[in-house]
Amino acid sequence: SQKIEQNSEALNIQEGKTATLTCNYTNYSPAYLQWYRQDPGRGPVFLLLIRENEKEKRKERLKVTFDTTLKQSLFHITASQPADSATYLCALDIYGGYNKLIFGAGTRLAVHP
Amino acid sequence: EPEVTQTPSHQVTQMGQEVILRCVPISNHLYFYWYRQILGQKVEFLVSFYNNEISEKSEIFDDQFSVERPDGSNFTLKIRSTKLEDSAMYFCASSPHTGPPGGTQYFGPGTRLLVL
Repeated sequence: SQKIEQNSEALNIQEGKTATLTCNYTNYSPAYLQWYRQDPGRGPVFLLLIRENEKEKRKERLKVTFDTTLKQSLFHITASQPADSATYLCALDIYGGYNKLIFGAGTRLAVHP
Repeated sequence: EPEVTQTPSHQVTQMGQEVILRCVPISNHLYFYWYRQILGQKVEFLVSFYNNEISEKSEIFDDQFSVERPDGSNFTLKIRSTKLEDSAMYFCASSPHTGPPGGTQYFGPGTRLLVL
């Protein structure tokens, strides 16, 4: 069956450390993989998109890797801050643009001062 | 910065009643979507809309649901006869027709629907 799995438990880290979140998927072949941030009671906010032919993408303190052989994406936040505390969602875009997103359940990140 | 807006923010209705959830996508966007999130669960795709017609719909989007773009700015989701299990947060999203890159979706703040 098709599945998207993210770290099911909350991730607690100290301010200034690097947070690493995992997204694994099975029986999908996404053209794009996207990461979104969701705060409680709010809509998802787009962070980064990586294509199937890209290995790594960076934006400021954020870095995403995509391994289509392992069927895994890693999302890193360096020099984390308490304001980074939120739920981070992995989303698959199977066809690459303008189509439905298939979301994982998300990982809740808590950054402690 | 342009944003997707949704009204109302909260809606309480009785089972069997019709509800209309409203969205104003970002003005130059051409692709529109509805998603829902039941409390504590994943964000789930409902329907996508382009060029005044449905592009794709999920199994959730049955005959009780419909979407419309009645004018150049609004995008609505109608639930004809609400059920208890329709209680969820409903998100509208839109995408521009060009990058960077194609497919980035911009979500609204959501409408929390409670069916009693």
